[in-house]
Formats: sequence, structure tokens, C-alpha cells
Amino acid sequence: GNSVTQMEGPVTLSEEAFLTINCTYTATGYPSLFWYVQYPGEGLQLLLKATKADDKGSNKGFEATYRKETTSFHLEKGSVQVSDSAVYFCALSKTGANNLFFGTGTRLTVIP
Amino acid sequence: DAGVIQSPRHEVTEMGQEVTLRCKPISGHDYLFWYRQTMMRGLELLIYFNNNVPIDDSGMPEDRFSAKMPNASFSTLKIQPSEPRDSAVYFCASSLRTGFEQYFGPGTRLTVT
Repeated sequence: GNSVTQMEGPVTLSEEAFLTINCTYTATGYPSLFWYVQYPGEGLQLLLKATKADDKGSNKGFEATYRKETTSFHLEKGSVQVSDSAVYFCALSKTGANNLFFGTGTRLTVIP
Repeated sequence: DAGVIQSPRHEVTEMGQEVTLRCKPISGHDYLFWYRQTMMRGLELLIYFNNNVPIDDSGMPEDRFSAKMPNASFSTLKIQPSEPRDSAVYFCASSLRTGFEQYFGPGTRLTVT
């Protein structure tokens, strides 16, 4: 079946530290991969996406590369800010399927 | 673009009462999704619609839950009777096409006492 596994949180970093949140997936075929972010008290919003192998999604300083050989889509940012504190969800969309499969989410807290 | 609109934002009710959550998707979007989020179970897909027709309701926890989409601009999720274990944040999301980005509403925080 289709599933997404994220590294467990919470993750606490100091401002300007490097961030990596691991995400691996299981799916047949060629899914699209997404990172969503949920700020406190809000709904999820798309952060970045990649639709095929070796694609790199990027937005707001965050990046993730679709690695088919390792079935991974790790989220990275070179220098986090306090405003990046949120819960991050990895998700996949199977070709021809209508819904997203979400990971359990990873809570990030950035301290000044 | 107003985005996905949900109401109410907060709902507190007593066990046994009927609860109705409302959602207005983004105009032109063909798909509408209802999710539930709790600390214990994370984000769960309850049901989704395509062109107002329910496609997959396998995530609906039990018969106390029902969802309707009478037209392209409105959907409801009803719980009758409500129970304390239904306390959660309920999100509505819509998307333009299959597999595309989903746009989430701000959620309804439901507390059943």
C-alpha cells in the first residue's frame, strides 16, 4: 500500500541552525511528493512539491529532492528562523488516486 | 480568493448533541476532503467528494458520522449523537484535480464534554 514515514519529533533547534526532517515513502509506481506546513492555530498549507524522480521542490528557503532510489523526500533548510516553528507533514499522491497520504507530522520549535 | 471557509471555528457541545460542521470550498475546485486531526491519531481522511458525489467514505469512523455535499459550494459533516472521543480539529480541504495540491481551511475545533 501507500504510506509515508516521518522522523519523530519534536525537533528543537536554535535560530540559524541547519534543519533536516526525514521522510521516506512506500508506493507503487511514481507518486508525487509534498511537504505541508501547519502553523499554530491554522490549517495545513503546501510548502513545496516534486512530481518526478530527481525533481527538487523549494520554497521559503526550504528544499526537498525526490529520491526514487532511496524512496525519500527529506526536508532541509540551511538556516531556520523562529518563524519556522510549526508542524511539518510529508505526503504523497499516487498517480490516478484522488487523495493524499500524510505522515504523522514533525513538530519543529526554533528558539532565539 | 477567500480560500476554503469553515464554520464554526470553535464548537463546544455536550455529549449526545448533534453537531454540524460546514465548509465552502474554493470556487472551481472539483474535489472536497474532510479530515480529522487529533494528537493520538494524527491527520485522518474521513471522506472525499468529486463533483459533489462521495467517492470514498471508508475513513468515517462509524454511523454517527455523515457528510453531504448538496452543491459545488457547500458541504457539511454531521455527528449525531456526539461523544467526547469525537473531540478533535476537523479540516476541510479542496483541490482542483486528482493528485493536485489540496487547500485547507482553518479548521473547526470541536470539544464534546
